[in-house]
Amino acid sequence: DAGVIQSPRHEVTEMGQEVTLRCKPISGHDYLFWYRQTMMRGLELLIYFNNNVPIDDSGMPEDRFSAKMPNASFSTLKIQPSEPRDSAVYFCASSGTSWVAFFGQGTRLTVV
Amino acid sequence: QKEVEQNSGPLSVPEGAIASLNCTYSDRGSQSFFWYRQYSGKSPELIMSIYSNGDKEDGRFTAQLNKASQYVSLLIRDSQPSDSATYLCAVNPAGNEKLTFGTGTRLTIIP
Repeated sequence: DAGVIQSPRHEVTEMGQEVTLRCKPISGHDYLFWYRQTMMRGLELLIYFNNNVPIDDSGMPEDRFSAKMPNASFSTLKIQPSEPRDSAVYFCASSGTSWVAFFGQGTRLTVV
Repeated sequence: QKEVEQNSGPLSVPEGAIASLNCTYSDRGSQSFFWYRQYSGKSPELIMSIYSNGDKEDGRFTAQLNKASQYVSLLIRDSQPSDSATYLCAVNPAGNEKLTFGTGTRLTIIP
């Protein structure tokens, strides 16, 4: 298995634009997590899914953020409109029943 | 109180010495505990998991768990420059599938 795959690896966008981050979890994993990492706040959980259903989105900072998981092999995190304070590294991770989370390579988002 | 707390460091250790990393957690019912290593610019990768009180050894790494004290630690023996990274402690709160991470401890091994 190729592991968790995220795209794009880097994204630079202008304030106000829509940004879509993509994730393909490890096949067979039932859980998918979206994290955001910044120097100030560390690794924060934004939302997670179980069997494609959102379970906890309490970490989503505001309504500008949304996430979907239309099937077991694909998820998106969308920011609309983007703001400079959204600049961070966004990680997708997946896990099975062991609760061990395997991370993708991350998307470094810069909003200018 | 934060759910998972770690000393942010930086922690500097001479090559060949033992590096000791500590983590405390607030949810007494937590069941699963993990240590992740993150190199600069890379994603976190799992290095140790521990589920019961006591020690668990894997090569140069030993994880220690004390549920009564709500404390988990990671020891790295014979530290190597390649161990220089940020180490993240992660915990599953009771009855919860999600991992909560500490802010990480930055470790530097001095040759």
